[in-house]
This record gives sequence, C-alpha cells and structure tokens, in this order.
Amino acid sequence: DTGVSQNPRHKITKRGQNVTFRCDPISEHNRLYWYRQTLGQGPEFLTYFQNEAQLEKSRLLSDRFSAERPKGSFSTLEIQRTEQGDSAMYLCASSLVAGEQYFGPGTRLTVT
Amino acid sequence: RKEVEQDPGPFNVPEGATVAFNCTYSNSASQSFFWYRQDCRKEPKLLMSVYSSGNEDGRFTAQLNRASQYISLLIRDSKLSDSATYLCVVTGSTGTASKLTFGTGTRLQVTL
Repeated sequence: DTGVSQNPRHKITKRGQNVTFRCDPISEHNRLYWYRQTLGQGPEFLTYFQNEAQLEKSRLLSDRFSAERPKGSFSTLEIQRTEQGDSAMYLCASSLVAGEQYFGPGTRLTVT
Repeated sequence: RKEVEQDPGPFNVPEGATVAFNCTYSNSASQSFFWYRQDCRKEPKLLMSVYSSGNEDGRFTAQLNRASQYISLLIRDSKLSDSATYLCVVTGSTGTASKLTFGTGTRLQVTL
C-alpha cells in the first residue's frame, strides 16, 4: 500500500502526558498537512509543510502543539501536557498540488 | 458565520433516487473547490473537483457559482454504496491556497 500512513492508529493517554504521532506521506508528495477532526465536524486545518519548511500554522495550534518534518519526508505532531479537549482524530494528508490532498487513516486520541 | 456552510442532513433517499447537496462559502477570494466523501470512521477521500463550467463524473455532477458563492453536488441513480458524509471543501486565497477549509458535511443514507 503506497498511501499515506499514520501511527499509532489509536492512542489513549492521561491528561498532562505528552503524545507524539507520526505521518508518512505518499513518497513523491512534497506537501504535507495536519488536520484535526471532532465528532460531527469537518476536519480543521492545523499546519502545512512544503518539503521541510513549515509554511502555515493555524491559530488552533497552541504552543502545546509542535510539528516537524525534518528531512522533508515523514512528519511528527507532538502535543505536550494533553488536555481532554485535545481528544480528536488527527489526520495527515499529502499532495503534489494544493487542494487534491490524500488523507491517511488518522490517529484517534483519547485523553482521560 | 462559518467559512463553509452545509446542511448536515441526514438525507434519507431510496435507491435510484436523485439527490442534491449544496453549500455556501464566505471567502470570495477562495481559489479551488472540491467535494470529498467520508465514510463512517474513515478518512476523507477526494470525490471530485468543482469548476464554474460544471463537471461530471459518472453519476456525479458538481457545479460552482462564484457570484453567489455556492457549490452543488448532484448524485443520480443513488446506490447503497453512496451512503456517506459529503464534505464541501474550499481552499483559501493566494498565500493560504494550500489549506483546505471543510464544511461540517452532509450525511446521505441510501435505503432499499
């Protein structure tokens, strides 16, 4: 399968703990995006990389959130000091051109 | 006002029916428009791009009206497998053209 992959698929953590998610995009895609989706809502944009450069960040991305794409390939999203409101599906997408984005299966985070 | 507004539904239609979804967007400078499909507990998948001239892909027809800031999706001869949530998506203006802004989605349930 050469699609976007995300790990882990599910994460349960206690409030206050740090978590890190990984995304491996489609290999030839230079653009990578992170979104967050809660029940009954569409995905909300968090941040965008072109190659290794982080070009855009949403105001949703508080200072507890950090994302990296060190070599322009895979990316990590870290949430520090998790809160219950962070519980959501975290989706990664990649693309060659803006708009036609291919999503991974997501990481479902539950903060207890 | 939300950037992209959709009727959440659900739309319950019998197999073989024609169904239409609409959405409106608030940013007149938005550059690109899409419909994505999302099955329950799965990631969004690109269904089709939307152009002012209208475009068709099999049983699906999409239309964009830039003057009214209105996007539509028509599904003819509905199949059981069309049951899903349909997400209306726009990209931003120049400089934010890469991020996708999603509506909350319209849920379609096709029944026998």
